[in-house]
Amino acid sequence: GAGVSQSPRYKVAKRGQDVALRCDPISGHVSLFWYQQALGQGPEFLTYFQNEAQLDKSGLPSDRFFAERPEGSVSTLKIQRTQQEDSAVYLCASSMGLAGNNEQFFGPGTRLTVL
Amino acid sequence: GDSVTQMEGPVTLSEEAFLTINCTYTATGYPSLFWYVQYPGEGLQLLLKATKADDKGSNKGFEATYRKETTSFHLEKGSVQVSDSAVYFCALRFTGGFKTIFGAGTRLFVKA
Repeated sequence: GAGVSQSPRYKVAKRGQDVALRCDPISGHVSLFWYQQALGQGPEFLTYFQNEAQLDKSGLPSDRFFAERPEGSVSTLKIQRTQQEDSAVYLCASSMGLAGNNEQFFGPGTRLTVL
Repeated sequence: GDSVTQMEGPVTLSEEAFLTINCTYTATGYPSLFWYVQYPGEGLQLLLKATKADDKGSNKGFEATYRKETTSFHLEKGSVQVSDSAVYFCALRFTGGFKTIFGAGTRLFVKA
């Protein structure tokens, strides 16, 4: 595709449910990033993949959050036992090169609402 | 820790007015600085960047200069258009680093 795509675009979950958010990066992009954007705030870094390797997960807020990129392309962010404070827009970005040396291209985000 | 502070919005201007959105940063070292823009319903897009002190980034009529002495990277445009209405984010990242640190964003409304 032409850009980074994310699905679903909107997700409503009841507190305690598990959710899975998908990111399709630009084809061939080595680096993939996940961010969390709370209402009225800027994005906050969650985790970084270089191909299939998760090199930094220091931004994941709790052990309920888990991300994977098993084949070095599509990535999934999973949140277990969702809480109301997990409500946010989850952004995925990819870049051609390693780490943060190249321009990051962002997807449109998944808006998660936990009731 | 490293952080970015930008002026609160919303900022409301008439078409052809001059725009300034202030951004200051705190960092241990010398990061690269960025402005991103988020148009309604779209993803974040890189607007411009500067990688070292005194560099000026520019794009689409927007400019920002990396000022090490004042730790600032203010965004300016001489004549805004209705189509510039969006949320603007100032950000920093260290070369080779994984994390981009964003400010809270400033919403701009431009009236015809």
